[in-house]
Amino acid sequence: DAKTTQPPSMDCAEGRAANLPCNHSTISGNEYVYWYRQIHSQGPQYIIHGLKNNETNEMASLIITEDRKSSTLILPHATLRDTAVYYCIAVTGNQFYFGTGTSLTVIP
Amino acid sequence: DVKVTQSSRYLVKRTGEKVFLECVQDMDHENMFWYRQDPGLGLRLIYFSYDVKMKEKGDIPEGYSVSREKKERFSLILESASTNQTSMYLCASRGTGTGVWNEQYFGPGTRLTVT
Repeated sequence: DAKTTQPPSMDCAEGRAANLPCNHSTISGNEYVYWYRQIHSQGPQYIIHGLKNNETNEMASLIITEDRKSSTLILPHATLRDTAVYYCIAVTGNQFYFGTGTSLTVIP
Repeated sequence: DVKVTQSSRYLVKRTGEKVFLECVQDMDHENMFWYRQDPGLGLRLIYFSYDVKMKEKGDIPEGYSVSREKKERFSLILESASTNQTSMYLCASRGTGTGVWNEQYFGPGTRLTVT
């Protein structure tokens, strides 16, 4: 599975869009990009995933570059409850390598 | 909703004790996973199982074993607990049959302290 790299921490003002970048320059053609988040003292929670096309659901949008070497998770209107660690993972098969993620702090 | 439960939220054990961490899922998922989470190291896969009685080593299997006698239950065993196994342990399950993109559902975690 491809290794992903993320900034260790980010801040975002409440109500603004939070844009979380992820680099996966060694991703292979059949590896999906997954995003999870982990709120303190809870297990990770699935947010969204994609392969080539941009994706949107009720939680977030995922923008994948055309060469698939990087992606951005967008939380369109961040709230205080979005404060969490966000993990970007490139996956094929059964093994998910979570890394250390980005700690997002939403500031009032 | 998928539910993954873990037997304890907090556990304190002594060095050398045999420790069992239990995980149960209620969605008939084929795949189950055990991770440990440590500050600065993220989540690391210990073992996973893709079927009853089947298991595969993850990144850090040393010092651990697992058991999957029933589909819904996946146990992590520390044969002789050591202080470096103090950690947060997370169980997850995942279905198959509809592609590799099935999400993993996580339990709440067990914080194990070995003294």
